[in-house]
This record gives sequence, C-alpha cells and structure tokens, in this order.
Amino acid sequence: GESVGLHLPTLSVQEGDNSIINCAYSNSASDYFIWYKQESGKGPQFIIDIRSNMDKRQGQRVTVLLNKTVKHLSLQIAATQPGDSAVYFCAENAGGTSYGKLTFGQGTILTVHP
Amino acid sequence: DTAVSQTPKYLVTQMGNDKSIKCEQNLGHDTMYWYKQDSKKFLKIMFSYNNKELIINETVPNRFSPKSPDKAHLNLHINSLELGDSAVYFCASSQDHGGSETQYFGPGTRLLVL
Repeated sequence: GESVGLHLPTLSVQEGDNSIINCAYSNSASDYFIWYKQESGKGPQFIIDIRSNMDKRQGQRVTVLLNKTVKHLSLQIAATQPGDSAVYFCAENAGGTSYGKLTFGQGTILTVHP
Repeated sequence: DTAVSQTPKYLVTQMGNDKSIKCEQNLGHDTMYWYKQDSKKFLKIMFSYNNKELIINETVPNRFSPKSPDKAHLNLHINSLELGDSAVYFCASSQDHGGSETQYFGPGTRLLVL
C-alpha cells in the first residue's frame, strides 16, 4: 500500500482501544494548531483545532492537548475504529504576518486492527 | 457537493512539457492555497492567494506560476516539467488568510513526470 517505504512513525491499535498520536512543533510563536487526517488517495481532512490560549479541546471522540511549555501537541482518539486508519498530521500557524501559512509535521500512520 | 475540487486527478507527462492543474472552491472562501506533498508524505505550502492577490510565495522555482482568475479559482501552471516535480499537489481554501482560519483541502492531483 501507500505506506510501504515511508518510514513515518506508526501506531498500531486494536479496534475499541484509545489512540494517542503525538506531535512536537517547532515555533514557539505558533498560536494555532490543527490536526488533519489523510486517508489513502485523499486530501487532508480537518479533525480538530486548538488555539494557544487553550490547553485542551474536545470534539466527537477526539481530544487535542496542547503543552506550550514543551511545544507538544497530542491527538487522542477514543474507541478507535477501523475507519480511523489513516495518516495523521499536526500543523501549526505562527499567526501575525504568516498569513495562513501552515507548517505541517511529518505525519503518523495509524493502523486499526479489527 | 464537492467543496474544493481539482482537475485532473492524475497527470502523467514527459520531462520538459508544460502542464496546468485547476482548482475550484464553492465554499465562498476568500483565500486559496497550493501545497506539494512529496513521496515521504511531507506537505509544504507553495502559494496562497487572497481575493486574487498573491499573499504567500514560498521558495518555489519560477517554473511554477499560480493564476487566480477569481477568488473561487486558483490554477497552477508548471513550465518545463522536471522529474523532481513528481508529487501530489493539493489545493486548499479558507475563509480568510488570518492565522486561525481552517483550511479545507481538495482531493489532490497526482503528477508523474517521466
């Protein structure tokens, strides 16, 4: 499949388990962060976002945690399902004059086994 | 209803040729982007336009020329294609070009230069 030879970080879980995907960002001036899900052959799909004045935000089955002290972002997926299998990207925006320029992380491959 | 659409989905061409990729969004957004995703899945911004005006122009060879005939369309023309141009090109759009605007991606155009 598409993941062969990619050498991205991988996370393999059983259906029903909770998943945690981590991301280290680089710019301490970044004030907006997004998680995207990219399924094979498709474009990145928005999952959840968080602004720098928050440290936690919850959506449906997903939670994003932000630790600005160590520049770390995580995505938690509850009760992971096979349909959650995809590559997950974090992205940061430095705000100010960055004018919407998103800097993407390298991606993590999540595989959910039935 | 397709929010951000791109044509063609696949593009196979010879080195040295000139080709164009088209993007349209029906979200009523003011800002549109082009991203390049390489074989390692790394996503990098190339250009952005806000209401037909160039906002972001990353370090991209001048063989790549974006054109925005109106705010719903952003096309990418590539001259003298090279092997290294082979990648997946994604168009995206957002309401505005502020730092905390969610970007919505198209399905991608898979370009293969032989």
